[in-house]
Amino acid sequence: SQKIEQNSEALNIQEGKTATLTCNYTNYSPAYLQWYRQDPGRGPVFLLLIRENEKEKRKERLKVTFDTTLKQSLFHITASQPADSATYLCALISGSGYSTLTFGKGTMLLVSP
Amino acid sequence: NAGVTQTPKFQVLKTGQSMTLQCAQDMNHNSMYWYRQDPGMGLRLIYYSASEGTTDKGEVPNGYNVSRLNKREFSLRLESAAPSQTSVYFCASSGGDRPSQPQHFGDGTRLSIL
Repeated sequence: SQKIEQNSEALNIQEGKTATLTCNYTNYSPAYLQWYRQDPGRGPVFLLLIRENEKEKRKERLKVTFDTTLKQSLFHITASQPADSATYLCALISGSGYSTLTFGKGTMLLVSP
Repeated sequence: NAGVTQTPKFQVLKTGQSMTLQCAQDMNHNSMYWYRQDPGMGLRLIYYSASEGTTDKGEVPNGYNVSRLNKREFSLRLESAAPSQTSVYFCASSGGDRPSQPQHFGDGTRLSIL
């Protein structure tokens, strides 16, 4: 069966360090992978999209990698700040026809001062 | 710039009652979606509308109906609420004609069914 796995345990890091979050998937051939941020009591907010033929995408302090051989995406936040504390969701779209997003369960990131 | 607006924000129902959750977007997006989010389950797609006039089932459609009233509005109806439908419901929209477009979410409706 198809699965998207993100660390269920919260990631605790110190301010200024690089946070790395993992998204693994099985039995998918995703054409696109997206990352979202969700704050408590709010809806998810889109951050980055990466295509299957792209290895890496950057936006300001954010970097996403996509390894279709390992079936894994890594999401990095450099120089992390307490304001980066949130839950981060990855989501996949398969390549065939009109497909919908399938979300992982998310990983909570806690950045302490 | 409102984006995606959901009403109500909170609701408590008794088992068997009916309810319609409202969603409106002001971004002229073609596609709209309804998700539910439960602890430990993540976001799961209930129904979606790829364009005005069409609706399709998602992963967990049982017990729900939807109406794409016009391009702006997409409502979700619970005909006979059950405790298993206690959840946070999110509406989202996306532009263009490809599912790869980023989705824009409302802030959810927190629904409790007693």
